[in-house]
Amino acid sequence: DGGITQSPKYLFRKEGQNVTLSCEQNLNHDAMYWYRQDPGQGLRLIYYSQIVNDFQKGDIAEGYSVSREKKESFPLTVTSAQKNPTAFYLCASSIGGQGGGEQFFGPGTRLTVL
Amino acid sequence: SQQGEEDPQALSIQEGENATMNCSYKTSINNLQWYRQNSGRGLVHLILIRSNEREKHSGRLRVTLDTSKKSSSLLITASRAADTASYFCATAFTGGGNKLTFGTGTQLKVEL
Repeated sequence: DGGITQSPKYLFRKEGQNVTLSCEQNLNHDAMYWYRQDPGQGLRLIYYSQIVNDFQKGDIAEGYSVSREKKESFPLTVTSAQKNPTAFYLCASSIGGQGGGEQFFGPGTRLTVL
Repeated sequence: SQQGEEDPQALSIQEGENATMNCSYKTSINNLQWYRQNSGRGLVHLILIRSNEREKHSGRLRVTLDTSKKSSSLLITASRAADTASYFCATAFTGGGNKLTFGTGTQLKVEL
C-alpha cells in the first residue's frame, strides 16, 4: 500500500515540552511539506523540503524545527517556543521538480497543549 | 500568507442540486488545484488546471480558470450527501517552486 502516514493521530502535551510529530511516505517522492490548520481555516505552510538533507522555512516556521535525513521521513518538532501550538498538523508529499504538482496528504495529527 | 480566498465560506444545498464555489488569488500562477477535506481528515486532490487552460472536467466536477480575473470556480453537478466536505483551492504561484498556497475553504453540506 503506497501512501503517507502520520503518527500519532492525537497528541497531548504540557506547556513547556517539545514534541515530535512523525511523517513517513513510501511514494518515492522527493518533496515533503508540513502544514498547520486551525479550526475553520485553510492550511499554512510551516516547513518544506525539496530533497534529502535540505529544507526551507514556510510562512509560519517560528517555534518549529524539522529534519530530512531520509527521503521517506520528515519529522516535525513543535518546540516550547511555539506560543500557540494547539492545532491540526498535516504532512504532504509530492513528486518534486518545479511548478507545484499534486500533493498527497497524510491523515493528520491533532496536537493539544494542556 | 493565504493567497486564495474562497466564497462562499459555507454552502448548504439539497441532494441532486449543483454546487458552485469560487476562488480568487493575487499573483501569477503556474496552476491551480482543488482539494477536498472530510472533517478531521487529510486533504484529497481533486483536479489540477494549468494557467494556459480555461476549463477542465473530471466526472461530476467542472473547473474553470480565468487568469485575467485571477479567479477559478469549481462546479459539482448532481450533488450527493457524500459530497459533504470542505473544499480548498490551492495555487502554485510563478516562481514558488513546489509550494502551494491554500485558500480559506468552502464548507459544503449536501442534505438528503
